[in-house]
Amino acid sequence: DTGVSQDPRHKITKRGQNVTFRCDPISEHNRLYWYRQTLGQGPEFLTYFQNEAQLEKSRLLSDRFSAERPKGSFSTLEIQRTEQGDSAMYLCASSLGDSSWEETQYFGPGTRLLVL
Amino acid sequence: GNSVTQMEGPVTLSEEAFLTINCTYTATGYPSLFWYVQYPGEGLQLLLKATKADDKGSNKGFEATYRKETTSFHLEKGSVQVSDSAVYFCALRGGNNRLAFGKGNQVVVIP
Repeated sequence: DTGVSQDPRHKITKRGQNVTFRCDPISEHNRLYWYRQTLGQGPEFLTYFQNEAQLEKSRLLSDRFSAERPKGSFSTLEIQRTEQGDSAMYLCASSLGDSSWEETQYFGPGTRLLVL
Repeated sequence: GNSVTQMEGPVTLSEEAFLTINCTYTATGYPSLFWYVQYPGEGLQLLLKATKADDKGSNKGFEATYRKETTSFHLEKGSVQVSDSAVYFCALRGGNNRLAFGKGNQVVVIP
């Protein structure tokens, strides 16, 4: 069990550019979540997948954001036409989701995005 | 919707002091409650959890009890160490599976 990994760890881009982040969940975890954390705040939910199906998206996820999880393994989060307000830490979490209340989400180290 | 409120401001205390971080929540139904910790330069780590009323979660000397009557899940530790310096987040998970986090509290332990 190597934990949740994210790549890159840091990304600096210019306004208007597209960026893509990758998340590799803990193997065998069927649920994968994306959150965004800005300075001084707790993480905010963006979207989540159960296997390859995207089941829920927050209204924080504008049309410029898209997430995929092909084959139900790794996931990518793409931001098109980045804006300075997109600067944040993007966190990925995975879990072995079932219908019980015991589900626990395990987080990766995050990708810190800075839009200039 | 679901929400979590943590006490305002950083917490600074001396080594071996008693730590309390308050957390209250608003939720429909019966959420699960969590404390996550973020050490400097690291990602969020699960510290402890409780899934039903009156459950006590514990780990590394930290404890929190799920109090449905007061909608609270306060974090406590009897004797903190310098290595406990970190940011602590209270969170809940409701029926929609997403986690709702509080703003976090920075804890600084002085030797």
